[in-house]
Amino acid sequence: TQLLEQSPQFLSIQEGENLTVYCNSSSVFSSLQWYRQEPGEGPVLLVTVVTGGEVKKLKRLTFQFGDARKDSSLHITAAQPGDTGLYLCAGLQTGANNLFFGTGTRLTVIP
Amino acid sequence: NAGVTQTPKFRILKIGQSMTLQCTQDMNHNYMYWYRQDPGMGLKLIYYSVGAGITDKGEVPNGYNVSRSTTEDFPLRLELAAPSQTSVYFCASFRRGASYNEQFFGPGTRLTVL
Repeated sequence: TQLLEQSPQFLSIQEGENLTVYCNSSSVFSSLQWYRQEPGEGPVLLVTVVTGGEVKKLKRLTFQFGDARKDSSLHITAAQPGDTGLYLCAGLQTGANNLFFGTGTRLTVIP
Repeated sequence: NAGVTQTPKFRILKIGQSMTLQCTQDMNHNYMYWYRQDPGMGLKLIYYSVGAGITDKGEVPNGYNVSRSTTEDFPLRLELAAPSQTSVYFCASFRRGASYNEQFFGPGTRLTVL
């Protein structure tokens, strides 16, 4: 069983469209992170959210942590081809020594 | 800083062969991890270490071994390679603090077992 489920698994959209990726769990996390991975490279951290209900913006990307700290969403406005990649959420539980990674969402933005 | 470095970048093994994947970080992080990523999938934790001399199993440890003799190095050993171990392997170190956490990944090792 996967601790963090992401949806959708695959997403292909036209440049300029908006999209939302979801990261859901039945477990509580002390913090949750979003990473982006480009082909042939390792994941790179985009953002960390630590407070229930927290919203963080990174240019055209908006990240939200659920009130109960069990879920998160990533919203991209006016997607660009450079946004193409694998998006991974990762949660850290209190007292844990490792992050739990989500199942991933592969985004393709078509020019 | 070089960050997290991994060698080799690519390797082809025959069934039953053994090899060591090297991982080094220069950020003085105590926490280090090995993940495998199968095509189109997320990351699965193989082994991790919270400091020199301390290692622990992750989600998929079978067929692998690790050691952590120094803070900088965390090699991953495959003793008897099997086709199921064909994957991309990522090493990572973790900067863990009270208000900020970030995991830094190496560029990966692409392993094929034939």
